[in-house]
Amino acid sequence: AQSVSQHNHHVILSEAASLELGCNYSYGGTVNLFWYVQYPGQHLQLLLKYFSGDPLVKGIKGFEAEFIKSKFSFNLRKPSVQWSDTAEYFCAVKESEASGTYKYIFGTGTRLKVLA
Amino acid sequence: NAGVTQTPKFRILKIGQSMTLQCTQDMNHNYMYWYRQDPGMGLKLIYYSVGAGITDKGEVPNGYNVSRSTTEDFPLRLELAAPSQTSVYFCASSETGGYYGYTFGSGTRLTVV
Repeated sequence: AQSVSQHNHHVILSEAASLELGCNYSYGGTVNLFWYVQYPGQHLQLLLKYFSGDPLVKGIKGFEAEFIKSKFSFNLRKPSVQWSDTAEYFCAVKESEASGTYKYIFGTGTRLKVLA
Repeated sequence: NAGVTQTPKFRILKIGQSMTLQCTQDMNHNYMYWYRQDPGMGLKLIYYSVGAGITDKGEVPNGYNVSRSTTEDFPLRLELAAPSQTSVYFCASSETGGYYGYTFGSGTRLTVV
């Protein structure tokens, strides 16, 4: 089974600082990768996803992620964070089932706090 | 607004009590899922359903039951609540088995005392 590692559990940044959150996965085959964001008191929302093609994926709110196959990584980046980016961020890998459905393996999450 | 609706948002249960967490979606999605979220543990899949009348276990099904009598509804049942079930529960749905991502509900925060 695949696993997903997010090594940064808590990150504190000042506004305008650059952000990079790490995500590594264990599966060596074809993967589909996702980043979800959970704002305080809200549900998870899809931030961006990678299926194939350009390894640099752009998402909502100025976020981007780069898929590096050789490093089994899918790190999330933002050049300049805002206070409103305070949230928890989850990396996820899509795993195919024999039945044709898909299950996700989620990382443990990174809690980001941006100081105004 | 279209989406996934969960009720209640908060609940406190005593050990041994039972309750049902409700989940309904109005997007006509065939696939629905229940996850629990524990601090520092990410999301763990409890049960999922690929359509009305079809359910299957996820990673952590013990202590829970589900049913799927309609496309819209996917309730999660706790029969004998235990402190280990204190968690935040998220329901999600998808159109194509999750290929393009999930739509999540707003969650139910459950405390068992």
